Amino acid sequence: DQQVKQNSPSLSVQEGRISILNCDYTNSMFDYFLWYKKYPAEGPTFLISISSIKDKNEDGRFTVFLNKSAKHLSLHIVPSQPGDSAVYFCAASAGNTDKLIFGTGTRLQVFP
Amino acid sequence: DADVTQTPRNRITKTGKRIMLECSQTKGHDRMYWYRQDPGLGLRLIYYSFDVKDINKGEISDGYSVSRQAQAKFSLSLESAIPNQTALYFCATSSDSSAYEQYFGPGTRLTVT
Repeated sequence: DQQVKQNSPSLSVQEGRISILNCDYTNSMFDYFLWYKKYPAEGPTFLISISSIKDKNEDGRFTVFLNKSAKHLSLHIVPSQPGDSAVYFCAASAGNTDKLIFGTGTRLQVFP
Repeated sequence: DADVTQTPRNRITKTGKRIMLECSQTKGHDRMYWYRQDPGLGLRLIYYSFDVKDINKGEISDGYSVSRQAQAKFSLSLESAIPNQTALYFCATSSDSSAYEQYFGPGTRLTVT
């Protein structure tokens, strides 16, 4: 049973526009959420995170929003750049486990 | 130099063979992890270790074993490889103080024929 779901396997966005990547989760015990970015032939790299006590966290062009009532989080990238083209994984953890549960990933393509 | 290295980067092996994937890190982290990535399934945790004397099973540990030889080294073994273990394998590390921000190696692509 997939506890962390990314229902869009791919997303295509024009350079300069906003990219919105979505993630849904089912486990109400999750209290920390992260986004990782992965380029081909490389391992995932940490991008941004958010604690369940917040509903927004911003880092430069990247903002993560958390809606606990809907069990939904999203990653906004604005403005999108061609170098943002990668696979993005959402991940979640329940504080008493110290383990991450990853989503299936969304491939973002930013075209000129 | 890379902080987390994995060897080999690519490996093709036959069904029934024993194979070991190795991971080394220079970040000084105590926590180390092994994941596999399959198309459409994301990354799934195989085993993890919070220090040299601590080894724990993840969600898909059947058919795998691990060894934590030192703080910096964590190896994954497939005792008798089978075709459905064909996948991309990642090692990762994290510190105790920032356990969720994991640093991944470049991955090992394993094919079992």
